[in-house]
Amino acid sequence: EAQVTQNPRYLITVTGKKLTVTCSQNMNHEYMSWYRQDPGLGLRQIYYSMNVEATDKGDVPEGYKVSRKEKRNFPLILESPSPNQTSLYFCASSPHDRGVYEQYFGPGTRLTVT
Amino acid sequence: DQQVKQNSPSLSVQEGRISILNCDYTNSMFDYFLWYKKYPAEGPTFLISISSIKDKNEDGRFTVFLNKSAKHLSLHIVPSQPGDSAVYFCAASVTGNQFYFGTGTSLTVIP
Repeated sequence: EAQVTQNPRYLITVTGKKLTVTCSQNMNHEYMSWYRQDPGLGLRQIYYSMNVEATDKGDVPEGYKVSRKEKRNFPLILESPSPNQTSLYFCASSPHDRGVYEQYFGPGTRLTVT
Repeated sequence: DQQVKQNSPSLSVQEGRISILNCDYTNSMFDYFLWYKKYPAEGPTFLISISSIKDKNEDGRFTVFLNKSAKHLSLHIVPSQPGDSAVYFCAASVTGNQFYFGTGTSLTVIP
């Protein structure tokens, strides 16, 4: 089944404790991206990647890191999480081929930082 | 500053009638627009898209209209069904790189 998977789905952590949210897709998509969803703010893009070893900042990259060492994986790293990073996070992928830019989203990771 | 705006947080429509969801944008460089649907506890799912070279795109019950001069996008759902009840997000991009989403409109279709 074609899908984007994220782990963990739920995470409660404390301020300053480094964490990684994994994202994997099995559709051989070139493009991958991370978003956060907050009430009243919609979805905001954190980082995106056009291909392996190519990453770019989105609208709200502060406090996050990403890497794209393999085509299928795009982990999101919070080196020193803070309470304002409490949010619902979505990973997405897209074929990004011949003008097709629709994204397939994972189920989301709900992160709480206390 | 929000480059893509959905000014109606919610919309209620009777089953069988037309649902019209609206979206405004400020960046005239946007050349690709999409609508996504989101159910609670799930990720958004792609509905329909349109490039800036077109002013209309249709897929079954869903039609997206683009008015570039007004920087306005709308999604029409005809006829509306109870299963269409969800949050709808519009999104915009320049050549499919960075994406900007609106804040969403919660649609309720009343049986």
